[in-house]
Amino acid sequence: NAGVTQTPKFQVLKTGQSMTLQCAQDMNHEYMSWYRQDPGMGLRLIHYSVGAGITDQGEVPNGYNVSRSTTEDFPLRLLSAAPSQTSVYFCASSYNRLRGVRGANVLTFGAGSRLTVL
Amino acid sequence: DQQVKQNSPSLSVQEGRISILNCDYTNSMFDYFLWYKKYPAEGPTFLISISSIKDKNEDGRFTVFLNKSAKHLSLHIVPSQPGDSAVYFCAASPTTSGTYKYIFGTGTRLKVLA
Repeated sequence: NAGVTQTPKFQVLKTGQSMTLQCAQDMNHEYMSWYRQDPGMGLRLIHYSVGAGITDQGEVPNGYNVSRSTTEDFPLRLLSAAPSQTSVYFCASSYNRLRGVRGANVLTFGAGSRLTVL
Repeated sequence: DQQVKQNSPSLSVQEGRISILNCDYTNSMFDYFLWYKKYPAEGPTFLISISSIKDKNEDGRFTVFLNKSAKHLSLHIVPSQPGDSAVYFCAASPTTSGTYKYIFGTGTRLKVLA
């Protein structure tokens, strides 16, 4: 049981390049989300998804795209990277809270992806 | 507008003593709260949670208190151990059917001195 797996762990991009951060979970969680962590800013929600085919914006969605074609995967796309997107990105997942499943309210995080945009 | 605030960026505590980490929120729709611990180069790991229907929840050395009228929660660690040295985040989720749209605070770095 791998939990939440993020790839790559490290990436350096030049301004204007595009890339995709991958996130996969094997816990059959309906809910998945992306956060970025910046010094002094804590963890800020970028986008989230409550199930396959459904996505919505979080606190800081600009410059990022997401899609959810399967329950397991929730990739985060940077179409034209900017230095302001230099950050550590975390993917997290949980069960739908309406399931009433024990632990449905808790987010499980991946180990993070450190992105540097030059 | 910071909806979840952790006003103390850092805290140092002697081993064996109590650590108290504070968190304030502004959105009255928040009804579920979590505390996470984060070590460098790792993802946050869940510590303890509390629902707005309770004012206290305990799990071993960790206790979370919720004061809804003051929109304030605190995490107590007793006794503190050097392995507790980490960054602690509180998170809050609004009453939204089917989702956990958690908003996180900025974190408090706890250092437990041996």
